[in-house]
Amino acid sequence: DIVMTQAPLSSPVTLGQPASISCRSSQSLGHSDADTYLSWLQQRPGQPPRLLIYMVSKRLSGVPDRFSGSGAGTEFTLKISRVEAEDVGVYYCMQITQLPHTLGQGTKLEIK
Amino acid sequence: EVQLVESGGGFVKPGGSLRLSCAVSGFSFRNAWMGWVRQAPGKGLDWVGRIKSKADGGTIDYTAPVKGRVVISGDDSRNTLDLQMNSLKTEDTGVYYCIASRTPGAYDVWGQGTMVTVSS
Repeated sequence: DIVMTQAPLSSPVTLGQPASISCRSSQSLGHSDADTYLSWLQQRPGQPPRLLIYMVSKRLSGVPDRFSGSGAGTEFTLKISRVEAEDVGVYYCMQITQLPHTLGQGTKLEIK
Repeated sequence: EVQLVESGGGFVKPGGSLRLSCAVSGFSFRNAWMGWVRQAPGKGLDWVGRIKSKADGGTIDYTAPVKGRVVISGDDSRNTLDLQMNSLKTEDTGVYYCIASRTPGAYDVWGQGTMVTVSS
């Protein structure tokens, strides 16, 4: 199984400042069809998860443009350009390149 | 409105069975890949399994801890995805989320979840 490792596990951030979350996979997430199926999910307190970013860097419709994704191979990053109060929650990376699909442990974003 | 609504959660004793359902609305069930993700209390997310659309072969895959104990099935006529869970263990306790992939390469729709508690 592909192991997804996120860092940091907790990230205290000042409002208006940037935040960055790293996700590393134990194997390359490049698929045989040449795409890379790495997604980022956000789970606000008491809410179900929701998709923010898919295929490394594609932002889902309606997701604020302060969220961006980048990376390739085994190293991926989610960046928030200016953190807002509504961004508090846990962020997960998820790979669906290979079965079984697997997720990172989650990174808790909180406001300082 | 695009929506997934889970039902069927509840309390069951170890070794028991439960059937979860996910009602799909706002998009074509027959063209989507569907699946389940669960979350133990206070823990992270774990993928349970998924079923491809019939057009893509209808293949079903599961994570190892549930293989042989759960069955995912879809009913095009009812626009419903089901998760039949048997031989339940205490470690199966958690919120079960129904998920859908309308966009290739992403599970872009998530339900609100239904709670399953396995305890004696």
